[in-house]
Amino acid sequence: DIQMTQSPSSLSASVGDRVTITCRASQGISNFLAWYQQKPGKVPKLLIYAASTLQSGVSSRFSGSGSGTDFTLTISSLQPEDAATYYCQKYNGAPYTFGQGTKLEIK
Amino acid sequence: QVQLVQSGAEVKKPGASVKVSCKTSGYTFSSYYLHWVRQAPGQGLEWMGIISTTGGSATYAQKFQGRVTMTRDTSTSTIYLDLSGLRSEDTAVYYCAREQGSSGRYSFDYWGQGTLVTVSS
Repeated sequence: DIQMTQSPSSLSASVGDRVTITCRASQGISNFLAWYQQKPGKVPKLLIYAASTLQSGVSSRFSGSGSGTDFTLTISSLQPEDAATYYCQKYNGAPYTFGQGTKLEIK
Repeated sequence: QVQLVQSGAEVKKPGASVKVSCKTSGYTFSSYYLHWVRQAPGQGLEWMGIISTTGGSATYAQKFQGRVTMTRDTSTSTIYLDLSGLRSEDTAVYYCAREQGSSGRYSFDYWGQGTLVTVSS
């Protein structure tokens, strides 16, 4: 099975910072990569699909890039409401594996 | 509007089975596949399986093979997750999630509210 590895596992940044989270697949997955945001006690929310397509209604501060095995989620100007855990996920077929998550805290 | 509404919290003893439902509305049930994902306390998201809403066939994560059954009822636009042989490690919030299409190659755009299953003696 393809493994999904995120880095870092956690990070702390200040409001206004540019933040980057990385996701690596153990084998190529083309662009079948999604990013989700989950706030404590809440349901995961789709941010990005097809590696770089912004889901409808999601702030343009979020962007995604990459293809094959290496992917990036970028938040251009961090806001307090961005405090959450972020997950990448492959969806090119079963198993639809998630990364282990990146917990983002606001300083 | 699209809605996925799950059944309520469950408390089960080790070795028992649990059945969680996910009733969908606001879209054509047969046009989108559905998945089950779980999250143990303080842990990440774990994919469990996918069910075709048309034919009803399901594919499960290897970890759950033999213990899980996913079914659907087209008359009520509802899917079900049956997990047997429960152990304490199965304590988690269980989510149903809709993928954005019906090929098994889409991300998950709508999620149920989650069902907490607690396994305790």
